[in-house]
Amino acid sequence: QKEVEQDPGPLSVPEGAIVSLNCTYSNSAFQYFMWYRQYSRKGPELLMYTYSSGNKEDGRFTAQVDKSSKYISLFIRDSQPSDSATYLCAMTVYGGSQGNLIFGKGTKLSVKP
Amino acid sequence: GAVVSQHPSRVICKSGTSVKIECRSLDFQATTMFWYRQFPKKSLMLMATSNEGSKATYEQGVEKDKFLINHASLTLSTLTVTSAHPEDSSFYICSARVPGQGLLAFFGQGTRLTVV
Repeated sequence: QKEVEQDPGPLSVPEGAIVSLNCTYSNSAFQYFMWYRQYSRKGPELLMYTYSSGNKEDGRFTAQVDKSSKYISLFIRDSQPSDSATYLCAMTVYGGSQGNLIFGKGTKLSVKP
Repeated sequence: GAVVSQHPSRVICKSGTSVKIECRSLDFQATTMFWYRQFPKKSLMLMATSNEGSKATYEQGVEKDKFLINHASLTLSTLTVTSAHPEDSSFYICSARVPGQGLLAFFGQGTRLTVV
């Protein structure tokens, strides 16, 4: 079993839809969770990060962490065509170097106008 | 967020030649930078950790003589792919942590390397 599992998609939704992106993990030591957005042929861009269970909201984005289920989600409200990208979850242990940042494979999202 | 600049964004080289990729932190000093390789539909694969003023730490399976890393200053790390072969064609991305911002990582734009 891989440490981080993420459905690669592709996921296609109409503009304005609510998007739910998810990752599961197996290592209960993971404590920091991040979501990156990556446009085609570009480097990942940090979207959100959190280190506690519960929800964290930033504009149209909400990051949710459920440590008991080892499950994290990113919700995008009122999705826009400009949200079309690959979304990567990443996580690491407390005190670990960034070299221990473990990424999911990424989910490719397409928002149709 | 912090700015990490990577150059070039795209390079095509002949088999057997060497290619250098630069990674710069533009508005902060990065004592540690990281180099990743990304294959299509695959996760980011950490290649090595670049430490300013010391030798890089390579991940298992990464050839240190093939992927030379130099971190000569607090704002610049370079990755040189030596004697490149077509199988080295890939998307290479660097990242850096900002001092004082914990484990947050900021990435460069990536470099698409094509070896012909």
